Amino acid sequence: AQKITQTQPGMFVQEKEAVTLDCTYDTSDPSYGLFWYKQPSSGEMIFLIYQGSYDQQNATEGRYSLNFQKARKSANLVISASQLGDSAMYFCAMREGPTIRGGGFKTIFGAGTRLFVKA
Amino acid sequence: DAGVIQSPRHEVTEMGQEVTLRCKPISGHDYLFWYRQTMMRGLELLIYFNNNVPIDDSGMPEDRFSAKMPNASFSTLKIQPSEPRDSAVYFCASSFSEPDRFGVKNIQYFGAGTRLSVL
Repeated sequence: AQKITQTQPGMFVQEKEAVTLDCTYDTSDPSYGLFWYKQPSSGEMIFLIYQGSYDQQNATEGRYSLNFQKARKSANLVISASQLGDSAMYFCAMREGPTIRGGGFKTIFGAGTRLFVKA
Repeated sequence: DAGVIQSPRHEVTEMGQEVTLRCKPISGHDYLFWYRQTMMRGLELLIYFNNNVPIDDSGMPEDRFSAKMPNASFSTLKIQPSEPRDSAVYFCASSFSEPDRFGVKNIQYFGAGTRLSVL
């Protein structure tokens, strides 16, 4: 069965420093996708970054990078040069599929990590 | 692009009443997802559609919940009768089966959510 684990309920980071948010997953499907979303206090869910299971290169999007370690089943989010606006809840998510036969995109989310950026 | 549009943003109703939540996905997207977010259970996938057809409704909590997608630009989630434990934020998300080097990305973009309070 799919499982996503975020072990850090809360994290503090000093402004302008880098921070790593942990995410481990469990799946028996060889084809899957990993996502990170940001949820600020206003409540919306903002897509940050995506990593496909077959892509050996770590994904990067501006100040966000995804440290993908497939053998360890981890997909940690690294935020470089933290800003006050990065204070938010961060969710890791996993989608199983698609397969060569096609198929659905059932997605599960972790419990989230609340990040606090200090000035 | 207007993004995923949900209405209403807030809904307050009394136990036993019917509640209908609405969603307009991003034009051209072929997948639509309904999620529920609570403090206790986090973000849960309720149901998702592909090309207007329900693919997986295993997350729908009980028969009081139903979802429809009559066309590519509109979906509803209905709760009848509503109960206080249904109080939550309900998100709609849509995605497009975007091919990448290794398969399909299928990044979900979320609406702003509907905050439901059942008294």
